[in-house]
Amino acid sequence: AQSVTQLGSHVSVSEGALVLLRCNYSSSVPPYLFWYVQYPNQGLQLLLKYTSAATLVKGINGFEAEFKKSETSFHLTKPSAHMSDAAEYFCAVSARNSGYSTLTFGKGTMLLVSP
Amino acid sequence: SQTIHQWPATLVQPVGSPLSLECTVEGTSNPNLYWYRQAAGRGLQLLFYSVGIGQISSEVPQNLSASRPQDRQFILSSKKLLLSDSGFYLCAWTDTTGPYEQYFGPGTRLTVT
Repeated sequence: AQSVTQLGSHVSVSEGALVLLRCNYSSSVPPYLFWYVQYPNQGLQLLLKYTSAATLVKGINGFEAEFKKSETSFHLTKPSAHMSDAAEYFCAVSARNSGYSTLTFGKGTMLLVSP
Repeated sequence: SQTIHQWPATLVQPVGSPLSLECTVEGTSNPNLYWYRQAAGRGLQLLFYSVGIGQISSEVPQNLSASRPQDRQFILSSKKLLLSDSGFYLCAWTDTTGPYEQYFGPGTRLTVT
Protein backbone atom coordinates (compact mmCIF):
# COMPACT_ATOMS: atom_id res chain seq x y z
CA ALA A 1 0.00 0.00 0.00
CA GLN A 2 1.08 3.55 -0.70
CA SER A 3 0.91 6.54 1.59
CA VAL A 4 2.00 10.16 1.56
CA THR A 5 2.84 12.46 4.44
CA GLN A 6 3.07 16.20 3.95
CA LEU A 7 4.78 17.91 6.83
CA GLY A 8 3.05 21.13 7.81
CA SER A 9 -0.52 21.96 6.97
CA HIS A 10 0.49 25.61 6.53
CA VAL A 11 3.76 27.16 5.41
CA SER A 12 4.32 30.92 5.44
CA VAL A 13 7.03 32.67 3.44
CA SER A 14 7.80 36.22 2.41
CA GLU A 15 7.74 37.22 -1.22
CA GLY A 16 11.16 36.47 -2.72
CA ALA A 17 12.03 33.83 -0.11
CA LEU A 18 12.73 30.17 -0.73
CA VAL A 19 9.71 27.88 -0.82
CA LEU A 20 10.15 24.37 0.62
CA LEU A 21 7.17 22.03 0.90
CA ARG A 22 7.92 18.62 2.34
CA CYS A 23 6.59 15.27 1.18
CA ASN A 24 7.52 11.79 2.34
CA TYR A 25 6.08 8.69 0.76
CA SER A 26 5.74 5.02 1.46
CA SER A 27 5.53 2.55 -1.37
CA SER A 28 6.16 -1.15 -1.75
CA VAL A 29 7.22 -0.68 -5.38
CA PRO A 30 9.20 2.03 -7.18
CA PRO A 31 6.78 4.93 -7.16
CA TYR A 32 5.54 7.52 -9.53
CA LEU A 33 5.25 10.79 -7.60
CA PHE A 34 3.39 14.00 -8.35
CA TRP A 35 2.89 17.51 -7.05
CA TYR A 36 -0.36 19.34 -7.70
CA VAL A 37 -1.44 22.90 -6.94
CA GLN A 38 -4.99 23.99 -6.16
CA TYR A 39 -6.21 27.58 -6.16
CA PRO A 40 -9.42 28.39 -4.28
CA ASN A 41 -12.53 26.81 -5.77
CA GLN A 42 -10.59 25.31 -8.67
CA GLY A 43 -9.49 21.84 -9.67
CA LEU A 44 -5.99 20.49 -9.16
CA GLN A 45 -3.28 21.39 -11.64
CA LEU A 46 -0.27 19.16 -12.22
CA LEU A 47 2.97 20.93 -11.28
CA LEU A 48 5.45 18.14 -11.95
CA LYS A 49 5.93 14.39 -11.94
CA TYR A 50 8.66 11.89 -11.15
CA THR A 51 8.67 8.81 -13.36
CA SER A 52 12.01 7.13 -12.50
CA ALA A 53 14.11 9.09 -14.98
CA ALA A 54 16.00 12.13 -13.62
CA THR A 55 15.76 12.49 -9.86
CA LEU A 56 15.56 16.29 -10.10
CA VAL A 57 12.32 17.18 -11.77
CA LYS A 58 11.46 20.61 -13.08
CA GLY A 59 7.87 21.73 -13.33
CA ILE A 60 5.78 24.71 -14.21
CA ASN A 61 5.91 28.14 -12.55
CA GLY A 62 9.56 27.69 -11.51
CA PHE A 63 8.97 24.77 -9.16
CA GLU A 64 11.15 21.72 -8.92
CA ALA A 65 11.32 18.60 -6.78
CA GLU A 66 14.01 16.09 -5.99
CA PHE A 67 13.38 12.37 -5.56
CA LYS A 68 15.52 10.90 -2.77
CA LYS A 69 15.01 7.19 -2.46
CA SER A 70 17.14 6.83 0.67
CA GLU A 71 15.00 9.40 2.45
CA THR A 72 11.71 8.39 0.75
CA SER A 73 11.19 12.07 0.09
CA PHE A 74 9.99 14.23 -2.78
CA HIS A 75 10.18 17.80 -1.51
CA LEU A 76 8.97 20.71 -3.62
CA THR A 77 11.06 23.87 -3.88
CA LYS A 78 11.06 27.24 -5.58
CA PRO A 79 13.97 29.67 -5.19
CA SER A 80 11.88 32.82 -4.93
CA ALA A 81 8.23 32.95 -3.88
CA HIS A 82 5.76 35.11 -5.71
CA MET A 83 2.41 36.32 -4.39
CA SER A 84 0.69 34.25 -7.07
CA ASP A 85 2.17 31.06 -5.55
CA ALA A 86 -0.25 31.29 -2.63
CA ALA A 87 -2.35 28.15 -2.94
CA GLU A 88 -2.72 24.64 -1.56
CA TYR A 89 -0.19 22.04 -2.69
CA PHE A 90 -0.73 18.29 -2.77
CA CYS A 91 1.83 15.53 -3.05
CA ALA A 92 0.61 12.22 -4.48
CA VAL A 93 1.95 8.74 -5.11
CA SER A 94 0.66 6.41 -7.78
CA ALA A 95 -0.29 2.81 -7.21
CA ARG A 96 0.34 1.15 -10.52
CA ASN A 97 -1.82 -1.66 -11.79
CA SER A 98 -2.27 -3.16 -15.19
CA GLY A 99 -3.91 -0.48 -17.32
CA TYR A 100 -4.92 1.89 -14.56
CA SER A 101 -3.72 3.49 -11.38
CA THR A 102 -5.04 5.28 -8.37
CA LEU A 103 -3.39 8.22 -6.68
CA THR A 104 -2.94 8.50 -2.94
CA PHE A 105 -2.79 12.15 -1.90
CA GLY A 106 -1.28 13.83 1.09
CA LYS A 107 -3.51 16.07 3.16
CA GLY A 108 -2.14 19.18 1.50
CA THR A 109 -0.01 22.15 2.52
CA MET A 110 -1.37 25.66 2.29
CA LEU A 111 1.33 28.09 1.15
CA LEU A 112 0.89 31.64 2.40
CA VAL A 113 3.00 34.37 0.80
CA SER A 114 3.31 37.75 2.49
CA PRO A 115 4.58 40.92 0.82
CA SER B 1 -5.51 18.84 -26.66
CA GLN B 2 -7.60 17.25 -23.97
CA THR B 3 -10.13 19.07 -21.85
CA ILE B 4 -12.36 17.99 -19.02
CA HIS B 5 -15.66 19.57 -18.13
CA GLN B 6 -17.82 19.37 -15.05
CA TRP B 7 -21.25 20.73 -14.38
CA PRO B 8 -22.86 22.28 -12.63
CA ALA B 9 -20.18 24.47 -11.07
CA THR B 10 -22.19 25.00 -7.89
CA LEU B 11 -25.27 23.30 -6.49
CA VAL B 12 -27.39 23.80 -3.39
CA GLN B 13 -29.72 20.91 -2.65
CA PRO B 14 -31.98 20.02 0.30
CA VAL B 15 -31.45 16.87 2.32
CA GLY B 16 -33.25 13.93 0.74
CA SER B 17 -33.17 15.30 -2.81
CA PRO B 18 -31.50 13.45 -5.72
CA LEU B 19 -28.16 14.37 -7.23
CA SER B 20 -26.60 14.12 -10.65
CA LEU B 21 -23.16 15.53 -11.44
CA GLU B 22 -21.70 15.14 -14.88
CA CYS B 23 -18.15 14.97 -16.16
CA THR B 24 -17.05 14.76 -19.78
CA VAL B 25 -13.63 14.53 -21.37
CA GLU B 26 -12.71 15.71 -24.85
CA GLY B 27 -9.72 14.97 -27.02
CA THR B 28 -8.94 11.45 -25.86
CA SER B 29 -10.47 8.01 -26.06
CA ASN B 30 -10.88 5.23 -23.53
CA PRO B 31 -9.62 7.27 -20.58
CA ASN B 32 -9.66 6.06 -17.01
CA LEU B 33 -12.05 8.27 -15.07
CA TYR B 34 -12.19 9.16 -11.38
CA TRP B 35 -14.52 10.92 -8.92
CA TYR B 36 -13.07 12.53 -5.78
CA ARG B 37 -14.63 14.41 -2.92
CA GLN B 38 -12.80 17.14 -1.09
CA ALA B 39 -14.32 18.06 2.26
CA ALA B 40 -13.00 20.96 4.29
CA GLY B 41 -9.80 19.99 6.06
CA ARG B 42 -9.97 16.37 4.92
CA GLY B 43 -7.96 16.27 1.72
CA LEU B 44 -9.04 14.33 -1.35
CA GLN B 45 -11.01 11.13 -1.04
CA LEU B 46 -11.28 8.82 -4.05
CA LEU B 47 -14.91 7.79 -4.46
CA PHE B 48 -15.08 5.86 -7.73
CA TYR B 49 -12.96 5.00 -10.72
CA SER B 50 -13.76 3.50 -14.10
CA VAL B 51 -11.57 1.78 -16.68
CA GLY B 52 -14.28 1.47 -19.31
CA ILE B 53 -17.94 1.85 -20.21
CA GLY B 54 -20.12 0.29 -17.53
CA GLN B 55 -17.11 -0.61 -15.37
CA ILE B 56 -17.24 1.13 -11.99
CA SER B 57 -15.16 0.47 -8.90
CA SER B 58 -16.09 1.98 -5.56
CA GLU B 59 -13.43 2.86 -3.06
CA VAL B 60 -15.62 3.52 -0.05
CA PRO B 61 -19.16 2.57 0.96
CA GLN B 62 -21.38 5.60 0.78
CA ASN B 63 -24.60 7.22 -0.26
CA LEU B 64 -23.37 7.86 -3.80
CA SER B 65 -23.16 5.87 -7.02
CA ALA B 66 -21.41 6.38 -10.33
CA SER B 67 -22.09 5.40 -13.90
CA ARG B 68 -20.24 5.58 -17.19
CA PRO B 69 -22.80 5.40 -20.00
CA GLN B 70 -20.36 6.57 -22.69
CA ASP B 71 -16.61 6.35 -23.15
CA ARG B 72 -15.92 9.94 -22.09
CA GLN B 73 -18.84 10.58 -19.74
CA PHE B 74 -18.83 9.92 -16.02
CA ILE B 75 -21.83 10.62 -13.80
CA LEU B 76 -22.06 10.82 -10.03
CA SER B 77 -25.50 10.27 -8.52
CA SER B 78 -27.43 9.95 -5.34
CA LYS B 79 -31.07 9.05 -4.71
CA LYS B 80 -31.27 10.93 -1.39
CA LEU B 81 -28.65 13.43 -0.31
CA LEU B 82 -27.33 13.61 3.23
CA LEU B 83 -25.80 16.64 4.94
CA SER B 84 -22.49 14.77 4.96
CA ASP B 85 -22.51 14.70 1.14
CA SER B 86 -21.60 18.39 1.06
CA GLY B 87 -18.19 19.09 -0.43
CA PHE B 88 -16.20 19.86 -3.52
CA TYR B 89 -16.46 17.12 -6.13
CA LEU B 90 -13.68 16.65 -8.61
CA CYS B 91 -13.57 14.52 -11.72
CA ALA B 92 -10.24 13.44 -13.20
CA TRP B 93 -8.97 11.43 -16.16
CA THR B 94 -5.81 9.64 -17.08
CA ASP B 95 -4.69 7.70 -20.09
CA THR B 96 -3.95 4.00 -19.90
CA THR B 97 -0.29 4.05 -20.89
CA GLY B 98 1.38 5.42 -17.73
CA PRO B 99 2.79 7.08 -15.70
CA TYR B 100 -0.85 7.82 -14.98
CA GLU B 101 -0.80 11.43 -13.96
CA GLN B 102 -4.37 12.55 -13.45
CA TYR B 103 -5.88 15.68 -14.95
CA PHE B 104 -8.65 17.32 -13.02
CA GLY B 105 -11.80 19.16 -13.95
CA PRO B 106 -12.84 22.50 -12.44
CA GLY B 107 -14.99 20.86 -9.76
CA THR B 108 -18.56 21.14 -8.46
CA ARG B 109 -19.28 22.77 -5.11
CA LEU B 110 -22.22 20.90 -3.51
CA THR B 111 -23.96 22.27 -0.45
CA VAL B 112 -26.65 20.12 1.12
CA THR B 113 -28.99 22.11 3.35
